[in-house]
Amino acid sequence: GESVGLHLPTLSVQEGDNSIINCAYSNSASDYFIWYKQESGKGPQFIIDIRSNMDKRQGQRVTVLLNKTVKHLSLQIAATQPGDSAVYFCAESFTGRRALTFGSGTRLQVQP
Amino acid sequence: GAVVSQHPSRVICKSGTSVKIECRSLDFQATTMFWYRQFPKQSLMLMATSNEGSKATYEQGVEKDKFLINHASLTLSTLTVTSAHPEDSSFYICSARDRLASGGTQYFGPGTRLLVL
Repeated sequence: GESVGLHLPTLSVQEGDNSIINCAYSNSASDYFIWYKQESGKGPQFIIDIRSNMDKRQGQRVTVLLNKTVKHLSLQIAATQPGDSAVYFCAESFTGRRALTFGSGTRLQVQP
Repeated sequence: GAVVSQHPSRVICKSGTSVKIECRSLDFQATTMFWYRQFPKQSLMLMATSNEGSKATYEQGVEKDKFLINHASLTLSTLTVTSAHPEDSSFYICSARDRLASGGTQYFGPGTRLLVL
């Protein structure tokens, strides 16, 4: 069936470096994408979203890039901090579907 | 920002008992809420979509008679795990969509950890 998946299960970076977390999706009908951050034992926290009519969107220290041609989504975190350590999930949906489909997640470990 | 709460945060119960989990949108109204289950080191799996005033829509493979969902108001949805067994032990997370906000952003609750002995 349709799925959303990630290339790297674990990403380890040094504090202050930039982090890039990738996500591949397979549903060509997907037109809405979200990145969530989940800390241990907590619910997912919204980070940033993007619609398919855009290829880039920036937030505070985060940027999401969307490449519809290759069905690829990435989350860039600038100047990564220890507090950014968590599991990051991409999720996707499409017009007419209210629910989200989550990817498998990437654990980001920030080394001080 | 939009806040979603869950109660209880964790529960331990004996096999065969039923457990009710509440999901509330605290500062917005939600015609639609979602229930997810998450096993350790795995992603969130959608169980069902809870619709205010109507029956829930269950994902394939989720037993509707085992996971009873009630969405009686615009701010409350409940999930009841009936006759719980150890394999139902998991992290249950709800989310809600603000009915007045455009887009599809879902706000998640903090989760409920269920342990069935």
